Amino acid sequence: GENVEQHPSTLSVQEGDSAVIKCTYSDSASNYFPWYKQELGKRPQLIIDIRSNVGEKKDQRIAVTLNKTAKHFSLHITETQPEDSAVYFCAASPPGYSTLTFGKGTMLLVSP
Amino acid sequence: EAQVTQNPRYLITVTGKKLTVTCSQNMNHEYMSWYRQDPGLGLRQIYYSMNVEVTDKGDVPEGYKVSRKEKRNFPLILESPSPNQTSLYFCASSFELVGNEQFFGPGTRLTVL
Repeated sequence: GENVEQHPSTLSVQEGDSAVIKCTYSDSASNYFPWYKQELGKRPQLIIDIRSNVGEKKDQRIAVTLNKTAKHFSLHITETQPEDSAVYFCAASPPGYSTLTFGKGTMLLVSP
Repeated sequence: EAQVTQNPRYLITVTGKKLTVTCSQNMNHEYMSWYRQDPGLGLRQIYYSMNVEVTDKGDVPEGYKVSRKEKRNFPLILESPSPNQTSLYFCASSFELVGNEQFFGPGTRLTVL
């Protein structure tokens, strides 16, 4: 089955800095890669996703890039704010979209 | 309001005592799934259902059962809970398959003594 590795496990930045979280996946056939944000004590929520026919996608301060050759994808957050502090999970889904395999998560701490 | 609900939200039980965690969604979603979240392990898929009467195993199905008799409900059953099933459980649903946004329930924190 699919295996998703996520790094780093924790990331501390100053407000206004950029943050980058990286994930690698094992199944070259995977073609859907969402990112979820989980605030403390809350449920995960989708923040952005990308499909394998796209190399990059942006939504305001958030962007995701995908390198299918290297089998890795990354989340980029610019101009970080304290409310960006949360655990971020990457995930991958194989063709057929029947299952979703998550990475272990990255705790992002943004200090004022 | 569109939502996924789970009950109970918190449960403390003892080894071997059968329990059911309910999950219900009001968005007419075909796809429903159960995940467990453990520190350092992220979210792991237990079971999923692509439609009524269609269920399949995820990555960690041992010790769990599910059923999908109605489109809106997807209960998780622990026939004989053990301490290693102590975890935070999330139900999620999406339109069609996982290639669409998964809407998560509020979570159920289960402790098995």
